[in-house]
Amino acid sequence: QLQLQESGPGLVKPSETLSLTCTVSGGSISSSSYYWGWIRQPPGRGLEWIASIYYGGSTYYNPFLKSRVTISVDTSKNQFSLKVNSVTAADTTLYYCARHYCGAGGCYGGRGYFDLWGRGTLVTVSS
Amino acid sequence: EIVLTQSPGTLSLSPGERATLSCRASQSVRSSYLAWYQQKPGQAPRLLIYDASSRATGIPDRFSGGGSGTDFTLTISRLEPEDFAVYSCQQYGTSPWTFGQGTKVEIK
Repeated sequence: QLQLQESGPGLVKPSETLSLTCTVSGGSISSSSYYWGWIRQPPGRGLEWIASIYYGGSTYYNPFLKSRVTISVDTSKNQFSLKVNSVTAADTTLYYCARHYCGAGGCYGGRGYFDLWGRGTLVTVSS
Repeated sequence: EIVLTQSPGTLSLSPGERATLSCRASQSVRSSYLAWYQQKPGQAPRLLIYDASSRATGIPDRFSGGGSGTDFTLTISRLEPEDFAVYSCQQYGTSPWTFGQGTKVEIK
């Protein structure tokens, strides 16, 4: 059974770069039917999609964070990663990685729903 | 971007009762590309419904989704104890993909 597990530092200082990794186990990240994405949930607010990536390297970003975010994939390690630059207290939240299913019509434009999620990792930005 | 507004914010019901959750979009959701998720503290969110009305694998048939355009609903026909949780909708018709703020279904 495929599983996703987030890993990251937990605590990051303001203005530094947050780096998170999602390890996919029980299946291959190199699937033509899926993207792989990051979502976060600020306290008291709804979920926010951050970015998604296809195993071939195509990337899709939410404009609200695009200038500070980079998503990447390492198929040899069955992992994908997220970097958020110049973090502030507003980036303190729970971060999820998820498998992002393209749908029966195939993978186009980053569209799809999140059919499998990790449990999330809490990141705190504080000095 | 499409803003999804969920109502009510909190639904207080007893086991066995019917729950009806609403998700309203600020503009039409293309091709009814709308999903529903269940969230419990400390657990991975779980996909319940996709394409507005299709149940995900392994989801009990007491969960059903409906709607089109700008108005969507998630119905839980008879609440089981494990159904008390937060439910969120998500549209994937127009990028950026967006989520509602969630509806908490709590035990009355």
